[in-house]
Amino acid sequence: KAGVTQTPRYLIKTRGQQVTLSCSPISGHRSVSWYQQTPGQGLQFLFEYFSETQRNKGNFPGRFSGRQFSNSRSEMNVSTLELGDSALYLCATRGASGTSSTDTQYFGPGTRLTVL
Amino acid sequence: GESVGLHLPTLSVQEGDNSIINCAYSNSASDYFIWYKQESGKGPQFIIDIRSNMDKRQGQRVTVLLNKTVKHLSLQIAATQPGDSAVYFCAETSGTYKYIFGTGTRLKVLA
Repeated sequence: KAGVTQTPRYLIKTRGQQVTLSCSPISGHRSVSWYQQTPGQGLQFLFEYFSETQRNKGNFPGRFSGRQFSNSRSEMNVSTLELGDSALYLCATRGASGTSSTDTQYFGPGTRLTVL
Repeated sequence: GESVGLHLPTLSVQEGDNSIINCAYSNSASDYFIWYKQESGKGPQFIIDIRSNMDKRQGQRVTVLLNKTVKHLSLQIAATQPGDSAVYFCAETSGTYKYIFGTGTRLKVLA
């Protein structure tokens, strides 16, 4: 079974631009969560989508948004990029049911975003 | 490779020795805990999990211990190997679908 895939793996953008990242979950996984990872803040939860609906949200500004499609693939968008948005963005997908918070999350390799 | 944390606590162990990585969690309502391993350039990889109704769980070369009284979680790795070198994270969740991750510990295996 294929793992979680994220595209692109690397991105370089300039301040003020916007960016869209993509995550394809493990087959059968309907829950997709997004995390930001930085050396200073560690892994921070952005949001979670299940059945095309945002089910939970972390403490990030509205510039960070996401969506999920009917095939469970998810995208996250960051508008008006700032230098501090440089980070590794990880998505994690969850078990077959997606209804229990104890289904194990499996992570993708991440997208490394650099904002210049 | 890329660094996942520049100021992480580091545990250095000799190859073949046992490793113990500790984690203090914050929410007494958390009922599910996971250990992840993150190698340079990769996403976190699931190692082992434990539910709050257990205090110990064993996997292949790994054991997780949970002490709910002091909100402490530990990961024991037996006969540590060079391939175990990575950053290890604990994560907790309390049924809100949101995972909270610890800051991580870097494990260095010395030959």
